[in-house]
Amino acid sequence: QQKVQQSPESLTVSEGAMASLNCTFSDRSSDNFRWYRQHSGKGLEVLVSIFSDGEKEEGSFTAHLNRASLHVFLHIREPQPSDSALYLCAVNRATGGNNKLTFGQGTVLSVIP
Amino acid sequence: DAGVTQTPRHEVAEKGQTIILKCEPVSGHNDLFWYRQTKIQGLELLSYFRSKSLMEDGGAFKDRFKAEMLNSSFSTLKIQPTEPKDSAVYLCASRLGEVTGQLYFGEGSKLTVL
Repeated sequence: QQKVQQSPESLTVSEGAMASLNCTFSDRSSDNFRWYRQHSGKGLEVLVSIFSDGEKEEGSFTAHLNRASLHVFLHIREPQPSDSALYLCAVNRATGGNNKLTFGQGTVLSVIP
Repeated sequence: DAGVTQTPRHEVAEKGQTIILKCEPVSGHNDLFWYRQTKIQGLELLSYFRSKSLMEDGGAFKDRFKAEMLNSSFSTLKIQPTEPKDSAVYLCASRLGEVTGQLYFGEGSKLTVL
């Protein structure tokens, strides 16, 4: 059964400083990875999707996938206080998988002015 | 184009009551998911529908949780009877249909069971 873990549980950075979040997964056959953001009291919004090893950039968000080490990272360039939210990693095995998306517990990011 | 709509946004129930949460997926989407979100467990899958057919019912949630999709544009999640441990945010999400497609989430229904 797929296990997805995120670290750190919470992270505080100053406005403009790079924020890096980590997500590890257990199923090496996983091929579908997304980072979501959830502001308090709101639904989840997708930030970046990545399907192969390497990097994928969407605005100020960059996902970095290394399936051999079972890691997918999210880097946030020059975060603003409005980026303070819960960040969730979601992993799926689309090919031959059961179509079930497994989420990590999340990282709470606080960006201080 | 409307996103996923969930109602009510907030619900307070007494232990033992029946509550029904509602979800309208994005128009044209074939897949619909119900998740429960708590601080301790994170997001847990309750149900997954594809073209109105129940594909997964979330195992541990079978006995008091029942999700239905009567038509392609409306789904309900019934919790009967409610228990205090059911206090959580219930999120509905939809997807066009391909397994690599992204999920679009509603803003959730926050349930408090006293």
